[in-house]
Amino acid sequence: NAGVTQTPKFRVLKTGQSMTLLCAQDMNHEYMYWYRQDPGMGLRLIHYSVGEGTTAKGEVPDGYNVSRLKKQNFLLGLESAAPSQTSVYFCASSTGLLTEAFFGQGTRLTVV
Amino acid sequence: EDQVTQSPEALRLQEGESSSLNCSYTVSGLRGLFWYRQDPGKGPEFLFTLYSAGEEKEKERLKATLTKKESFLHITAPKPEDSATYLCAVRGQGGSEKLVFGKGTKLTVNP
Repeated sequence: NAGVTQTPKFRVLKTGQSMTLLCAQDMNHEYMYWYRQDPGMGLRLIHYSVGEGTTAKGEVPDGYNVSRLKKQNFLLGLESAAPSQTSVYFCASSTGLLTEAFFGQGTRLTVV
Repeated sequence: EDQVTQSPEALRLQEGESSSLNCSYTVSGLRGLFWYRQDPGKGPEFLFTLYSAGEEKEKERLKATLTKKESFLHITAPKPEDSATYLCAVRGQGGSEKLVFGKGTKLTVNP
């Protein structure tokens, strides 16, 4: 049972480039989330989804887009990367709002 | 706005030296308080969920407690493998999809 898998694990982008981070979960969870984690700050919610075909903005959504075409996958896109988006990105999933979230291993993104 | 403050930021213990980590929160209608453990280079790993004041949960050397304003993570006779960053998060009634995380307490247990 793989749980939550993120691809890629590391990436370096140049300012202005675009990329997509993939999150896949095999637990049949309805809820999926994208967080970013920066030094000295707590995890902050970027976007989330409460089911297939749905997405919603979190705390820090600017500069990101998401899609959930399949229940098991949640994609995070950066259309035009900026150095301020240098961070570690975590995907998570859960069965509901009050249940524990399972996190992936993270993607370390550097924008130069 | 929901807020979570964890203290101390860092804690060093000797193996076997018990201590507690604090999580103070401000939230409009607590729906759940979560504790996670995060090892370097990895994603957070779930430990406990507490829903109401007075509730306690235990797992091995860890015990989490909850009051109306704060939660404690008690570590009894810690071992070096307990070294990690411990994160606290709350979910309130307003903006219920958002889990608000604290900055964490980095625990180091020396042998």
